[in-house]
Amino acid sequence: AQSVTQLDSQVPVFEEAPVELRCNYSSSVSVYLFWYVQYPNQGLQLLLKYLSGSTLVKGINGFEAEFNKSQTSFHLRKPSVHISDTAEYFCAVSDPSTGFQKLVFGTGTRLLVSP
Amino acid sequence: DTAVSQTPKYLVTQMGNDKSIKCEQNLGHDTMYWYKQDSKKFLKIMFSYNNKELIINETVPNRFSPKSPDKAHLNLHINSLELGDSAVYFCASSEPGPRSGNTIYFGEGSWLTVV
Repeated sequence: AQSVTQLDSQVPVFEEAPVELRCNYSSSVSVYLFWYVQYPNQGLQLLLKYLSGSTLVKGINGFEAEFNKSQTSFHLRKPSVHISDTAEYFCAVSDPSTGFQKLVFGTGTRLLVSP
Repeated sequence: DTAVSQTPKYLVTQMGNDKSIKCEQNLGHDTMYWYKQDSKKFLKIMFSYNNKELIINETVPNRFSPKSPDKAHLNLHINSLELGDSAVYFCASSEPGPRSGNTIYFGEGSWLTVV
């Protein structure tokens, strides 16, 4: 079964500093990878996705992620964070065994941006 | 216009009661889902429907019964509510096809508290 590991449960960072949120997945087949953001008391918003092609994917709000097949990773980065980026970030994977209809989520990483 | 809308957003109810959460999507998608987010923020799929047909049922207790009157609606009915049912329930829908990677779009969530 698919699994997603987000090693960091919480990442504190100062405003305008760069940040990387780590995500590793377990799969030997081609998968689709996603990052979602959840602001307090809100729903999940799609940040970006990797389906195929270029391994560097750009998303909304200045975020980007790099797909690394050999390391089965899909880390999320932002060169300069804002206070408003404080939220929970979820990495997710879907695979062909479920017709790509089932997202398996990691446990989330809480990004805390302070002034 | 909200793409995936669900009601109510907040629901507090007593153990043993029966409650429903309604969901509607105006994206024209064929597939709809219910996901559950527990108190530790872990997200897991409960059900998926494709054009009113049940596709995925993730060993959810049969007290939970989804109903899809048409492909734009997927409601969740819960009988005999238990304390452990307290969670956030997210409705979602997905865009089919290889170009989109079956990207899933989530509603704002329904916060259910059982007392």
